[in-house]
Amino acid sequence: DQQVKQNSPSLSVQEGRISILNCDYTNSMFDYFLWYKKYPAEGPTFLISISSIKDKNEDGRFTVFLNKSAKHLSLHIVPSQPGDSAVYFCAASSNNAGNMLTFGGGTRLMVKP
Amino acid sequence: DGGITQSPKYLFRKEGQNVTLSCEQNLNHDAMYWYRQDPGQGLRLIYYSQIVNDFQKGDIAEGYSVSREKKESFPLTVTSAQKNPTAFYLCASSPIGRDLRSSNQPQHFGDGTRLSIL
Repeated sequence: DQQVKQNSPSLSVQEGRISILNCDYTNSMFDYFLWYKKYPAEGPTFLISISSIKDKNEDGRFTVFLNKSAKHLSLHIVPSQPGDSAVYFCAASSNNAGNMLTFGGGTRLMVKP
Repeated sequence: DGGITQSPKYLFRKEGQNVTLSCEQNLNHDAMYWYRQDPGQGLRLIYYSQIVNDFQKGDIAEGYSVSREKKESFPLTVTSAQKNPTAFYLCASSPIGRDLRSSNQPQHFGDGTRLSIL
């Protein structure tokens, strides 16, 4: 049973527009959420995170929103750039699991020039 | 410059062979992890270790083995019992304790090893 789900395997947006990547979770014990970005043949790199005590965290062009009641988080990229084209993984952790992460299946973002 | 080094980048295995993937970190992290990524799929945990000489199975440990003789090293052996070993393998490390500052990343990843069957 997948505890973290990214229901859109791929997303295509025009350069300069907003990209919205979604993630749903089922485990109510999760209290820390992250987004990683991955290029082909490379390891994932950390992008942004949010604690469950917040509902929004912003870092430059990247903003993560958390809706705890809906068990849903989203990553907004504004404006989208061709270099943002990659696979984005949502991940979650719970207080009783240290730094163990549960990953979603990933969403491939393609930003067209 | 601290980081995680995985080697080799590409690895080929013949049927019936065991192969070992290397993972070394100089971040002074206590915990290390091995994940497998298949095309179009997420990261699935194979094994993890939170302290030297101790490790636990993850979600897909069958056909794999690990050792943790040194804090810096966590090699993964893909045995002949693993029937579908072709995949991209990622190693990661982290501290044990959580740090929930928004700029913090719990796990740092290497660049991966792609294993293929000849």
